[in-house]
Amino acid sequence: QVQLVQSGPEVKKPGASVKVSCKVYGNTLSGLSMHWVRQTPGKGLEWMGGLDPEAEETIFAQTFQGRVSVTEDTATDTAYLELTRLKPEDTAVYYCATHHELEGFDPWGQGTLVTVSS
Amino acid sequence: DIQMTQSPSTLSTSVGDKVTITCRASQSIGTWLAWYQQKPGKAPKLLIYKASTLKSGVPSRFSGSGSGTEFTLTISSLQPDDFATYYCQHYNTYPALTFGGGTKVEIK
Repeated sequence: QVQLVQSGPEVKKPGASVKVSCKVYGNTLSGLSMHWVRQTPGKGLEWMGGLDPEAEETIFAQTFQGRVSVTEDTATDTAYLELTRLKPEDTAVYYCATHHELEGFDPWGQGTLVTVSS
Repeated sequence: DIQMTQSPSTLSTSVGDKVTITCRASQSIGTWLAWYQQKPGKAPKLLIYKASTLKSGVPSRFSGSGSGTEFTLTISSLQPDDFATYYCQHYNTYPALTFGGGTKVEIK
């Protein structure tokens, strides 16, 4: 059974960058399509981006293009989300989740709270 | 981009009630729709995919229906563990893996 374990909470100043990790247990990262979703305080879920296996490239929501990157370390089965030029409105819980083309997102990591404040 | 609209945004209900949540897509998405349950402080959990297929282990009181642009999630008899927020999601067309705004099911 696949389990995703994310890194701990982060506090950043506006303009800084943050890197969140997501380690895979129970499978190898190379066998998965990893995606990232964020949830701002009191609000809903917002898909950020992830691997399109058919196109063999990472696709991002337009909202985040130019500020977000996703990398993978297959040696440690860990995926990383980096968000740059942080703003206070980027304060959110960031989730990784495995995308199954026929079934949706399952499982999810436990979430990482990123707080952006001066 | 495909937009997903859920209604209602909040539902006040009681244990034992039948609950129906609606999700509408801005264009046809076939049956590429998933439903998730989220409790406070926890990650979402997949309940239903392909509009009506129950994920293994999910109680049978949950069911999903619909195709094209209109979908429903039904809980046949609400249990105490079901008070949560529910989200729909279109999950098969990049870059529009869009979530609905959520429906909070709360105690009346």
